[in-house]
This record gives sequence, structure tokens and C-alpha cells, in this order.
Amino acid sequence: EAGVTQFPSHSVIEKGQTVTLRCDPISGHDNLYWYRRVMGKEIKFLLHFVKESKQDESGMPNNRFLAERTGGTYSTLKVQPAELEDSGVYFCASSQVAFGGQVWRFYNEQFFGPGTRLTVL
Amino acid sequence: SQKIEQNSEALNIQEGKTATLTCNYTNYSPAYLQWYRQDPGRGPVFLLLIRENEKEKRKERLKVTFDTTLKQSLFHITASQPADSATYLCALDNAGNNRKLIWGLGTSLAVNP
Repeated sequence: EAGVTQFPSHSVIEKGQTVTLRCDPISGHDNLYWYRRVMGKEIKFLLHFVKESKQDESGMPNNRFLAERTGGTYSTLKVQPAELEDSGVYFCASSQVAFGGQVWRFYNEQFFGPGTRLTVL
Repeated sequence: SQKIEQNSEALNIQEGKTATLTCNYTNYSPAYLQWYRQDPGRGPVFLLLIRENEKEKRKERLKVTFDTTLKQSLFHITASQPADSATYLCALDNAGNNRKLIWGLGTSLAVNP
């Protein structure tokens, strides 16, 4: 089974330009997360999709960031216009909703992609 | 604000010894705590999850403890091998609807042959 894939692996852009990152989760995973790691800092949550709906976007830094997940499959994260502080590694992760006992539970083992390293010059 | 602390200094141990990594947290009451491994240039890989009502969890050579009174988790790798060298990340999980993970900085482990 294919894991989570992300494209591109690296992106170097000028300040003010636009970049779109793509994430393909594991097939059948309803939950899709975006995280970012800035150099020297911990991984930070950006947002969470359940299928095509945004469950939580409290971690999105500002309105220059736009995430979509049309059809509940792959997701894109667009940064427009990019600023220097947007540089970092952007990770996508997916997880499965599973039934345990009498209630639906998230088995929240999250499967991560390799990340996209974004450098804004 | 919520804070997670992991051993900031790299841990160097001899092959065959037990590695013990620490994760402390404040201002948070996680329902779950997860440990991940990350190798250079790769995304984190899930290792173990422990629930707030569990004291200890084991998986092969790995053991995790969770003390909600001390607000601490310990991660042990027994009979360590050079292949265990990596960064180990602790993540808190609130079990709410969004299940976002709150991460520590990670501890770098080097197992010397």
C-alpha cells in the first residue's frame, strides 16, 4: 500500500510569489492534517480535514494560506504571497477513522509524508 | 500556554544499553501521548500511543510510561542498536474531535557500535 506522498519535495521561491503544495493521503483515510516545522522549532499543527471539510484550521498562520481538499482525496496548500517567515518543512499526515466498541474512535496513529521543504528568498 | 519539553541535548549511548528519553508537559491534560521517530529528510513515523489511564505500554524493544500526576512520559529502547539512531518526538493528543497533535522538539539519539 502506498504511503502518504507530497509534492514537490523542495521548493525555492522569491518573496511575493505563490507556491502550491500537494498531499496525497493513504487511500481510505478520511483525516488529513497539515503541519509545519520551522528550523529550530517544534512541529506545529496547521489544519485538519475530515474528508473534504475543514475540521480545524486554528493553526493557519494568516489568510495568505489556503488549504483545499476537493472530493476528499488529495489536498493542496497554497501560500500567496509567500513571505520569508513561511520557510520551513511542510508535512502532511493522514489517519483513519475506525470503529471501536460502541463508539466511533479515531485511531489517531498519523501517517506522515516526507514533507516539502519550502525556502522563500 | 501549553509546553512540552524533551531532553534538549543529544543522547549518546553504547550499543546494547537501554536508552531513556523524557517528555514533560505543562498546562495540558492529554488523553493520549504518542511517540514518533524521525530520520533526516523524512516525516515522523508512529511508534507507540499510550492512553491517560495506562501506566505502561510495550512493543518489542520499546516501552513507554505515562504519569499524568508528574505530567511525564518516559520512552525506553532496550538492547539498543545503531539502527535506533534517530530523533524521537513526543506528541500530545487531546482526543477531541480534531485530534491535532502538539509536539515536542524531539531528542536526538545516537547509538554507538
